[in-house]
Amino acid sequence: ILNVEQSPQSLHVQEGDSTNFTCSFPSSNFYALHWYRWETAKSPEALFVMTLNGDEKKKGRISATLNTKEGYSYLYIKGSQPEDSATYLCAHLNYGGSQGNLIFGKGTKLSVKP
Amino acid sequence: KAGVTQTPRYLIKTRGQQVTLSCSPISGHRSVSWYQQTPGQGLQFLFEYFSETQRNKGNFPGRFSGRQFSNSRSEMNVSTLELGDSALYLCASSLGFVGTSTDTQYFGPGTRLTVL
Repeated sequence: ILNVEQSPQSLHVQEGDSTNFTCSFPSSNFYALHWYRWETAKSPEALFVMTLNGDEKKKGRISATLNTKEGYSYLYIKGSQPEDSATYLCAHLNYGGSQGNLIFGKGTKLSVKP
Repeated sequence: KAGVTQTPRYLIKTRGQQVTLSCSPISGHRSVSWYQQTPGQGLQFLFEYFSETQRNKGNFPGRFSGRQFSNSRSEMNVSTLELGDSALYLCASSLGFVGTSTDTQYFGPGTRLTVL
């Protein structure tokens, strides 16, 4: 079993702060990395699917970078708002082929205070 | 376009019983994956069905099984329920098979199963 680690486990910031968190994954057999945002009582919502080393993706105030050689991805939120409060999950697709499946981290829970 | 739906949303069962959960994917999606989430754990992969075939299975006992119908709807069955099976069960659909695509997975709202 290949582990995906996310840090920190939880984060409390003030409205307007920018923040970032990390997803670490095994760098061997890399195929893709997914980021999801999961608000309480809702379904996980896909943010990004990243595949290329050095890739950077952006969606509004949220962006992500990917380093497949060293096995990490960063998620950045610029100017956090209370509605950004959610758990952010990353998932590593460890093998492209018939045996590939997403391995999820435990998430980073973000709380943004007004 | 309707999202992924799961029924029922909540379920209470007793040990030893069996349960069937249902997932209807987004129209046109052929892949359905199932995940279990328990407190303190990340989402644990159960299995993935693509075009009515189980393509991949996670590390769960044989009490957990599933199937997919020709309309891509999927069911998951757990037999001989144990207390530890209490969890949120999520399904997700995507256009392509997860193992070989970079398609986005769309999650349903989940079924909260409580085993007493």
